[in-house]
Amino acid sequence: QTVVTQEPSLTVSPGGTVTLTCASSTGAVTIAHYPNWFQQRPGQPPMPLIYSTNIKHSWTPARFSGSLLGGKTALTLSDVQPEDEADYYCLLYYGRGQLVFGGGTKLTVL
Amino acid sequence: EVQLVESGGGLVQPGGSLRLSCAASGFTVKTYYMAWVRQAAGKGLEWVSVIYSDGNTYYADSVRDRFTINRDNSKNTVFLQMSSLRVEDAAVYFCASSLGGALIDIWGQGTMVNVSS
Repeated sequence: QTVVTQEPSLTVSPGGTVTLTCASSTGAVTIAHYPNWFQQRPGQPPMPLIYSTNIKHSWTPARFSGSLLGGKTALTLSDVQPEDEADYYCLLYYGRGQLVFGGGTKLTVL
Repeated sequence: EVQLVESGGGLVQPGGSLRLSCAASGFTVKTYYMAWVRQAAGKGLEWVSVIYSDGNTYYADSVRDRFTINRDNSKNTVFLQMSSLRVEDAAVYFCASSLGGALIDIWGQGTMVNVSS
């Protein structure tokens, strides 16, 4: 069974920069996994942020960016704002219709 | 406006069945792939199932042989038929789709399923 691993929690100061990562139990994450990132606030459905590794949706703030980093996919938040405090999930595609979410990262802005 | 609205959630006993619906507006479900994703209380997101525009369907191991995804093009609605429900199937079930290049770029608000005796 494929497992996608994220940091369970991270803390960042307002105005700071933080990188969240997403690793696959099957090996290196590549563009063929079409990495997607989502932000979820309590009681809300997830909001798409990034797709195909590093493409922002039209509504995604410029301070969010995606990349591949050391065999993982990463989401970097620059100039972090208080409203960025939320849960973040990555999503990877494994072929034959199979999608797997990461376990999620709880980001605290403190 | 592009929108997904789920319905059909509720309380069911273990071993029971339930059918969830996802009504789409602003686009046609037969043109795009439609997925179900669930989230147990306080837990992370779990992909459940997907139906592609060609009709092919795929399931997570945890629900294969118990859940069935299908669609009614005339109603522009996707369904998730859930049977042999277990306590661990209790979750908010989200309907989702991709209208662009993302794996998922639109989500419904979710419908809650409780499985308890």
